[in-house]
Amino acid sequence: KAGVTQTPRYLIKTRGQQVTLSCSPISGHRSVSWYQQTPGQGLQFLFEYFSETQRNKGNFPGRFSGRQFSNSRSEMNVSTLELGDSALYLCASSVGGDGQPQHFGDGTRLSIL
Amino acid sequence: QKEVEQNSGPLSVPEGAIASLNCTYSDRVSQSFFWYRQYSGKSPELIMSIYSNGDKEDGRFTAQLNKASQYVSLLIRDSQPSDSATYLCAGITSGTYKYIFGTGTRLKVLA
Repeated sequence: KAGVTQTPRYLIKTRGQQVTLSCSPISGHRSVSWYQQTPGQGLQFLFEYFSETQRNKGNFPGRFSGRQFSNSRSEMNVSTLELGDSALYLCASSVGGDGQPQHFGDGTRLSIL
Repeated sequence: QKEVEQNSGPLSVPEGAIASLNCTYSDRVSQSFFWYRQYSGKSPELIMSIYSNGDKEDGRFTAQLNKASQYVSLLIRDSQPSDSATYLCAGITSGTYKYIFGTGTRLKVLA
């Protein structure tokens, strides 16, 4: 069974630009969560989508947004990029609602110049 | 109280010893708990899931859940240098199904 796939793996942008990251969950998984991780920091929860609806949200500014499609694939968008947005962005999927664990993709490493 | 708390470490153990990692959780977190291992620069990898009171063993790993005291632990027997990583404890909140992660404990296994 294929794992969680995130694209692209690496991205370099400049301040003020916007970026879209993509996540394809494990087949059959309906929940997709997004996390930001900076060096030496824990996982900072961005949001979770379940069946195309945002079910949970973290404490990030509105520049960070996401969506989920009917095939459960998800995208995350960050507008007006700031230097502090440089981080590893992780996507995790789970079946959803049944207490099963999340499985993580390899992440997208975003660097802002 | 944080919903899931871990000591950040580092926890240093000699090769071959038992490493004991601990995690406490609040009332908001339900009874599904998970341990992840994260190597530097990599994504978290699921090691163990535990859902009921007691011990669950998988190879060199044993997860323990104590609902009365609200803690979860991970024991790593015969620790190897390759076990050196950050270990994340996670649970799910009741009702909202939100995954809550601790900040992780850094483990160093000394050769």
